[in-house]
Amino acid sequence: NAGVTQTPKFRILKIGQSMTLQCTQDMNHNYMYWYRQDPGMGLKLIYYSVGAGITDKGEVPNGYNVSRSTTEDFPLRLELAAPSQTSVYFCASSYTENTEAFFGQGTRLTVV
Amino acid sequence: QQPVQSPQAVILREGEDAVINCSSSKALYSVHWYRQKHGEAPVFLMILLKGGEQKGHDKISASFNEKKQQSSLYLTASQLSYSGTYFCGTPAGGTSYGKLTFGQGTILTVHP
Repeated sequence: NAGVTQTPKFRILKIGQSMTLQCTQDMNHNYMYWYRQDPGMGLKLIYYSVGAGITDKGEVPNGYNVSRSTTEDFPLRLELAAPSQTSVYFCASSYTENTEAFFGQGTRLTVV
Repeated sequence: QQPVQSPQAVILREGEDAVINCSSSKALYSVHWYRQKHGEAPVFLMILLKGGEQKGHDKISASFNEKKQQSSLYLTASQLSYSGTYFCGTPAGGTSYGKLTFGQGTILTVHP
């Protein structure tokens, strides 16, 4: 079972560059989430989605964009990368907000 | 608004017990608990639902006090494998359903 798959695992970006972090799940989950985790810190919610075509901002959405055109995919777009976006990014999915959330293995992003 | 965890860190010897607390300023609909090992993704431990009883997972159990808007995670007879960072997560509910935010984490270290 694949679960939640994130690509890439590692990426180095230069300041001002853009990129898309991919996230796909094969569990037919309605709810999907993007978190960032700075070193030694907790999980901060960037964006979340409760179904295809429905997305909403989390705690730290500035500098990011998302889309949800299918149930399976929830890509996160970084525009004009900044050093403050250096972090580990986790995608997660769940059937509802009151069921287990499954996390991907994370993308370690460094902006230089 | 994210939940608040206490303590920030706990150091134990094998066999000792620990309690991690999670509180919220808003009404809680459910509380999630996850454990994250260094360099890995968070892994689900359990969910406590409003009106539900205390849950257990091996020698790890948790309680949920809706009136006090808090949950506690109990680790008894700790093992080396319990080391890691523990996070509680709380869905916002209401019109913000799907918005799952996490506390800042509690670092648990178990020594032989």
